[in-house]
Amino acid sequence: NAGVTQTPKFQVLKTGQSMTLQCAQDMNHNSMYWYRQDPGMGLRLIYYSASEGTTDKGEVPNGYNVSRLNKREFSLRLESAAPSQTSVYFCASSFRVSGNTIYFGEGSWLTVV
Amino acid sequence: SQQGEEDPQALSIQEGENATMNCSYKTSINNLQWYRQNSGRGLVHLILIRSNEREKHSGRLRVTLDTSKKSSSLLITASRAADTASYFCATEGLRQGAQKLVFGQGTRLTINP
Repeated sequence: NAGVTQTPKFQVLKTGQSMTLQCAQDMNHNSMYWYRQDPGMGLRLIYYSASEGTTDKGEVPNGYNVSRLNKREFSLRLESAAPSQTSVYFCASSFRVSGNTIYFGEGSWLTVV
Repeated sequence: SQQGEEDPQALSIQEGENATMNCSYKTSINNLQWYRQNSGRGLVHLILIRSNEREKHSGRLRVTLDTSKKSSSLLITASRAADTASYFCATEGLRQGAQKLVFGQGTRLTINP
């Protein structure tokens, strides 16, 4: 039972490059999330998907796009990476968006140079 | 905007002592959750307390919620070296459509052997 799995674990990008962070959960959860964590800033929600087929912006969506590929998978794409997107990214899931425990992946460390 | 604010930002105690961390928030909530994050890892859910609850226990953890003061506390009794981690509170607001947990910046707890 893997829980929430995200890849890659580490990535270095040059400014302007694009990349996709992949996330999959095996808990049959309806809702999935992408957060970023920066020192002194806590976690901030980038995008979320309340259920398969829907996606919505969170607190800091600029510069990102997401795809809810199916119930299991939720990807985050950086179309043109900027140094300000250097961060640790966490994918997470929950049974539904309200009143539920959120389960987190182990994180993806992204550096944009 | 950040909803939960943890206090203190850092706490260092001796093994066996109790550790208390506080969280304050600004607007009415559906529930408040506490998470733990070990260095370099994802967040792990500890306890969810609903707005109509005042206290919850889980093993050595005790969480209280005072909605009149908009504050919560997390008490870890008989601390162990393995409790060394960052602890985050997260609030689910009443009128946000319940889509988002808003995380505080965390308390960094160090247990000295």
